[in-house]
Amino acid sequence: AQKVTQAQTEISVVEKEDVTLDCVYETRDTTYYLFWYKQPPSGELVFLIRRNSFDEQNEISGRYSWNFQKSTSSFNFTITASQVVDSAVYFCALSEADTGGFKTIFGAGTRLFVKA
Amino acid sequence: NAGVTQTPKFRVLKTGQSMTLLCAQDMNHEYMYWYRQDPGMGLRLIHYSVGEGTTAKGEVPDGYNVSRLKKQNFLLGLESAAPSQTSVYFCASSYSRTGTGELFFGEGSRLTVL
Repeated sequence: AQKVTQAQTEISVVEKEDVTLDCVYETRDTTYYLFWYKQPPSGELVFLIRRNSFDEQNEISGRYSWNFQKSTSSFNFTITASQVVDSAVYFCALSEADTGGFKTIFGAGTRLFVKA
Repeated sequence: NAGVTQTPKFRVLKTGQSMTLLCAQDMNHEYMYWYRQDPGMGLRLIHYSVGEGTTAKGEVPDGYNVSRLKKQNFLLGLESAAPSQTSVYFCASSYSRTGTGELFFGEGSRLTVL
Protein backbone atom coordinates (compact mmCIF):
# COMPACT_ATOMS: atom_id res chain seq x y z
CA ALA A 1 0.00 0.00 0.00
CA GLN A 2 1.16 3.49 -0.65
CA LYS A 3 0.68 6.42 1.60
CA VAL A 4 1.60 10.07 1.60
CA THR A 5 1.63 12.02 4.85
CA GLN A 6 1.64 15.76 5.10
CA ALA A 7 1.58 16.27 8.84
CA GLN A 8 1.26 20.05 8.70
CA THR A 9 -2.37 20.92 8.13
CA GLU A 10 -1.90 24.69 8.11
CA ILE A 11 1.10 26.97 8.29
CA SER A 12 1.02 30.71 8.72
CA VAL A 13 4.06 32.88 8.04
CA VAL A 14 4.82 36.53 7.50
CA GLU A 15 6.00 37.66 4.11
CA LYS A 16 9.72 37.15 3.47
CA GLU A 17 9.98 34.29 5.94
CA ASP A 18 11.24 30.94 4.72
CA VAL A 19 8.89 28.00 5.11
CA THR A 20 9.28 24.25 4.66
CA LEU A 21 6.42 21.93 3.86
CA ASP A 22 6.98 18.35 4.90
CA CYS A 23 6.08 15.23 2.98
CA VAL A 24 6.70 11.66 4.08
CA TYR A 25 5.77 8.72 1.89
CA GLU A 26 5.50 4.97 2.17
CA THR A 27 6.05 2.54 -0.65
CA ARG A 28 7.38 -0.97 -1.13
CA ASP A 29 8.48 -0.30 -4.70
CA THR A 30 11.97 0.71 -5.72
CA THR A 31 10.65 2.62 -8.72
CA TYR A 32 8.28 5.44 -7.92
CA TYR A 33 7.71 9.11 -8.63
CA LEU A 34 7.08 12.03 -6.33
CA PHE A 35 5.33 15.28 -7.13
CA TRP A 36 4.31 18.59 -5.62
CA TYR A 37 1.21 20.47 -6.74
CA LYS A 38 -0.13 23.87 -5.78
CA GLN A 39 -3.80 24.78 -5.42
CA PRO A 40 -4.26 28.56 -5.12
CA PRO A 41 -7.52 30.04 -3.81
CA SER A 42 -8.92 30.01 -7.34
CA GLY A 43 -9.05 26.21 -7.09
CA GLU A 44 -7.02 24.95 -10.02
CA LEU A 45 -4.24 22.44 -9.47
CA VAL A 46 -0.83 23.39 -10.75
CA PHE A 47 2.10 21.02 -11.17
CA LEU A 48 5.34 22.18 -9.51
CA ILE A 49 7.88 19.36 -9.67
CA ARG A 50 8.38 15.66 -10.43
CA ARG A 51 11.13 13.44 -9.06
CA ASN A 52 11.86 9.78 -9.74
CA SER A 53 13.14 7.44 -7.05
CA PHE A 54 16.55 7.13 -8.66
CA ASP A 55 17.28 10.84 -8.64
CA GLU A 56 18.02 12.15 -5.17
CA GLN A 57 19.51 15.41 -6.33
CA ASN A 58 17.94 18.39 -4.68
CA GLU A 59 16.41 20.93 -6.98
CA ILE A 60 16.07 24.68 -6.86
CA SER A 61 13.77 26.75 -9.01
CA GLY A 62 13.81 30.40 -8.10
CA ARG A 63 12.48 30.72 -4.55
CA TYR A 64 11.40 27.06 -4.51
CA SER A 65 13.61 24.16 -3.53
CA TRP A 66 13.00 20.50 -2.91
CA ASN A 67 14.88 18.07 -0.69
CA PHE A 68 14.45 14.39 -1.53
CA GLN A 69 15.86 11.90 0.99
CA LYS A 70 15.18 8.23 0.36
CA SER A 71 16.72 7.27 3.70
CA THR A 72 13.91 9.05 5.54
CA SER A 73 11.28 8.66 2.77
CA SER A 74 10.81 12.38 2.66
CA PHE A 75 10.34 14.91 -0.11
CA ASN A 76 10.20 18.32 1.52
CA PHE A 77 9.45 21.61 -0.18
CA THR A 78 10.94 24.94 0.91
CA ILE A 79 9.82 28.38 -0.15
CA THR A 80 12.44 31.04 0.45
CA ALA A 81 11.40 34.62 1.12
CA SER A 82 7.71 33.78 0.95
CA GLN A 83 5.27 36.12 -0.76
CA VAL A 84 1.53 36.63 -0.39
CA VAL A 85 1.04 34.99 -3.79
CA ASP A 86 2.44 31.77 -2.31
CA SER A 87 -0.70 31.41 -0.21
CA ALA A 88 -2.27 28.17 -1.37
CA VAL A 89 -2.78 24.54 -0.51
CA TYR A 90 0.21 22.43 -1.44
CA PHE A 91 -0.10 18.73 -2.16
CA CYS A 92 2.60 16.10 -2.21
CA ALA A 93 1.86 13.05 -4.38
CA LEU A 94 3.32 9.60 -5.02
CA SER A 95 3.00 7.53 -8.17
CA GLU A 96 3.84 3.84 -8.13
CA ALA A 97 2.89 0.69 -9.98
CA ASP A 98 -0.49 -0.82 -9.28
CA THR A 99 -2.31 -3.80 -10.77
CA GLY A 100 -4.03 -1.48 -13.22
CA GLY A 101 -1.00 0.63 -14.06
CA PHE A 102 0.72 3.49 -12.29
CA LYS A 103 -1.59 5.36 -9.96
CA THR A 104 -0.99 8.68 -8.25
CA ILE A 105 -1.96 9.17 -4.63
CA PHE A 106 -2.03 12.53 -2.88
CA GLY A 107 -1.41 13.62 0.66
CA ALA A 108 -4.02 15.60 2.57
CA GLY A 109 -2.32 18.89 1.71
CA THR A 110 -0.81 21.76 3.68
CA ARG A 111 -2.56 25.11 3.61
CA LEU A 112 -0.03 27.94 3.61
CA PHE A 113 -1.03 31.45 4.64
CA VAL A 114 1.47 34.18 3.88
CA LYS A 115 0.59 37.45 5.58
CA ALA A 116 1.81 40.80 4.31
CA ASN B 1 -6.24 23.97 -26.89
CA ALA B 2 -8.77 23.34 -24.11
CA GLY B 3 -6.71 20.81 -22.10
CA VAL B 4 -8.95 18.94 -19.65
CA THR B 5 -12.61 19.94 -19.60
CA GLN B 6 -15.16 18.78 -17.05
CA THR B 7 -18.92 19.05 -17.36
CA PRO B 8 -20.98 20.02 -15.53
CA LYS B 9 -19.16 22.49 -13.26
CA PHE B 10 -21.91 22.46 -10.64
CA ARG B 11 -24.73 20.07 -9.88
CA VAL B 12 -27.21 19.55 -7.08
CA LEU B 13 -28.77 16.14 -6.71
CA LYS B 14 -31.27 14.55 -4.40
CA THR B 15 -30.37 11.37 -2.59
CA GLY B 16 -30.91 8.40 -4.86
CA GLN B 17 -30.64 10.27 -8.13
CA SER B 18 -28.07 9.32 -10.72
CA MET B 19 -25.74 11.43 -12.78
CA THR B 20 -22.66 11.31 -14.98
CA LEU B 21 -19.67 13.60 -14.94
CA LEU B 22 -17.86 13.94 -18.23
CA CYS B 23 -14.17 14.54 -18.59
CA ALA B 24 -12.71 15.32 -21.99
CA GLN B 25 -9.07 15.90 -22.89
CA ASP B 26 -7.66 17.00 -26.21
CA MET B 27 -4.00 16.23 -25.53
CA ASN B 28 -4.08 12.58 -26.68
CA HIS B 29 -3.14 11.45 -23.18
CA GLU B 30 -3.26 7.77 -22.30
CA TYR B 31 -3.89 8.00 -18.58
CA MET B 32 -6.97 9.60 -17.07
CA TYR B 33 -8.04 9.86 -13.44
CA TRP B 34 -10.99 10.85 -11.29
CA TYR B 35 -10.34 12.29 -7.83
CA ARG B 36 -12.58 13.73 -5.17
CA GLN B 37 -11.47 16.54 -2.89
CA ASP B 38 -12.90 16.91 0.59
CA PRO B 39 -11.78 19.30 3.35
CA GLY B 40 -8.86 17.91 5.30
CA MET B 41 -8.59 14.81 3.14
CA GLY B 42 -6.77 16.06 0.11
CA LEU B 43 -7.40 14.42 -3.23
CA ARG B 44 -8.52 10.82 -3.13
CA LEU B 45 -8.36 8.64 -6.22
CA ILE B 46 -11.69 7.14 -7.24
CA HIS B 47 -10.90 5.33 -10.48
CA TYR B 48 -8.34 5.65 -13.20
CA SER B 49 -7.74 4.44 -16.73
CA VAL B 50 -4.51 3.53 -18.47
CA GLY B 51 -6.02 3.65 -21.92
CA GLU B 52 -9.14 3.35 -24.02
CA GLY B 53 -11.35 0.51 -22.85
CA THR B 54 -9.54 -0.01 -19.53
CA THR B 55 -10.37 1.14 -16.01
CA ALA B 56 -9.03 0.38 -12.54
CA LYS B 57 -10.10 1.09 -8.99
CA GLY B 58 -8.46 3.71 -6.87
CA GLU B 59 -8.66 4.40 -3.15
CA VAL B 60 -12.38 5.13 -2.85
CA PRO B 61 -14.22 3.42 -5.73
CA ASP B 62 -17.43 2.39 -3.93
CA GLY B 63 -20.56 4.07 -5.21
CA TYR B 64 -18.94 5.13 -8.49
CA ASN B 65 -18.59 3.60 -11.92
CA VAL B 66 -16.47 4.73 -14.83
CA SER B 67 -16.10 4.15 -18.52
CA ARG B 68 -13.45 4.97 -21.10
CA LEU B 69 -15.04 4.13 -24.42
CA LYS B 70 -13.06 6.78 -26.25
CA LYS B 71 -9.48 7.76 -25.50
CA GLN B 72 -10.36 11.39 -25.03
CA ASN B 73 -13.28 10.86 -22.65
CA PHE B 74 -13.50 9.47 -19.13
CA LEU B 75 -16.97 9.30 -17.57
CA LEU B 76 -17.71 9.09 -13.86
CA GLY B 77 -21.13 7.81 -12.90
CA LEU B 78 -23.07 7.89 -9.66
CA GLU B 79 -25.90 5.37 -9.86
CA SER B 80 -27.61 6.31 -6.60
CA ALA B 81 -26.19 9.48 -5.10
CA ALA B 82 -25.67 9.76 -1.34
CA PRO B 83 -24.91 12.83 0.79
CA SER B 84 -21.45 11.36 1.45
CA GLN B 85 -20.70 11.92 -2.22
CA THR B 86 -20.99 15.67 -1.83
CA SER B 87 -17.56 16.80 -2.94
CA VAL B 88 -15.50 18.55 -5.56
CA TYR B 89 -14.51 16.15 -8.31
CA PHE B 90 -11.38 16.60 -10.36
CA CYS B 91 -10.49 14.84 -13.54
CA ALA B 92 -6.87 14.63 -14.63
CA SER B 93 -4.87 13.22 -17.50
CA SER B 94 -1.23 12.33 -17.98
CA TYR B 95 0.87 12.28 -21.11
CA SER B 96 3.13 9.51 -19.85
CA ARG B 97 2.52 6.08 -21.38
CA THR B 98 3.63 4.58 -18.07
CA GLY B 99 1.52 6.87 -15.91
CA THR B 100 4.55 8.47 -14.31
CA GLY B 101 4.22 11.96 -15.70
CA GLU B 102 2.63 14.94 -14.07
CA LEU B 103 -1.12 15.30 -14.09
CA PHE B 104 -3.08 17.93 -15.97
CA PHE B 105 -6.27 18.78 -14.12
CA GLY B 106 -9.66 20.03 -15.08
CA GLU B 107 -11.26 22.90 -13.21
CA GLY B 108 -13.32 20.67 -10.97
CA SER B 109 -17.01 19.84 -10.65
CA ARG B 110 -18.81 20.71 -7.44
CA LEU B 111 -21.49 18.18 -6.60
CA THR B 112 -23.97 18.57 -3.75
CA VAL B 113 -26.22 15.69 -2.75
CA LEU B 114 -29.17 16.67 -0.57
